[in-house]
Amino acid sequence: NAGVMQNPRHLVRRRGQEARLRCSPMKGHSHVYWYRQLPEEGLKFMVYLQKENIIDESGMPKERFSAEFPKEGPSILRIQQVVRGDSAAYFCASSPPFFSGATYSYNEQFFGPGTRLTVL
Amino acid sequence: KQEVTQIPAALSVPEGENLVLNCSFTDSAIYNLQWFRQDPGKGLTSLLLIQSSQREQTSGRLNASLDKSSGRSTLYIAASQPGDSATYLCAVSYSGYSTLTFGKGTMLLVSP
Repeated sequence: NAGVMQNPRHLVRRRGQEARLRCSPMKGHSHVYWYRQLPEEGLKFMVYLQKENIIDESGMPKERFSAEFPKEGPSILRIQQVVRGDSAAYFCASSPPFFSGATYSYNEQFFGPGTRLTVL
Repeated sequence: KQEVTQIPAALSVPEGENLVLNCSFTDSAIYNLQWFRQDPGKGLTSLLLIQSSQREQTSGRLNASLDKSSGRSTLYIAASQPGDSATYLCAVSYSGYSTLTFGKGTMLLVSP
C-alpha cells in the first residue's frame, strides 16, 4: 500500500506567481489535512477536507490560499500571487474513514514527504 | 487556545543511553496524542498513537505514556542509537478527525 504522495517535492516560484501543490492520500483514505511548517516553527494546521467538501479551513489564510479535494484525483492546495513569506514546507496527511475496518487507530494521520516551496 | 510544549528543544546523548522526551498540553480534554519522527528535509513518520483512554503504548525500544489529568506525555527511548537522531514531534487532537496541534519538537542527536 503506497503511502501519502505529494508532488512536486520542491517548487520554486517568483513573487506573484501561482503555486499548486498536490496530495494523493493513501488508498482507502477519504480524509485529507494540509499543514504548513515555516522555518524555525512547528507545523500548523491549514485545512481539513473530505471528498468534495471542506470540513475545517480555520487555519487557512483568508486571502490567496484555497484547497480542494475533488471526487476524482488528488487534493490541491493553491497559493495565488505568492510572496516570500509563503516559503515553507507544506505537508499533507490522510486518515481512513470511520467504518473502514482498517487496522489503524481512529484518526491516526499519515503524512506525505512534503512539498518545499521557495519563493524568490 | 491549545498549546503543546516540548522540552527539551534539543538533546545530545552518547549512544546506548536511555532518554526521555517530554510533551505537555494546556487543554487536557484530548482525544488522542501522537508521537512523530521527522528527519531533516523529510516528512513525518508516525511512531506511536495513544488514545485518551490509554496510559501507554510501546513499539520496540519506544514507550510513550500519557497522563491526561496533568496534561503530559513522555516518550522513552531505550538504548539509543545514532539512527535515532531526528526531530521528535508530539501532537494532540480533540475529537475523531479533528486536526492535530503540534509542539515545536525536540531535536535529538545520538553520537557514536
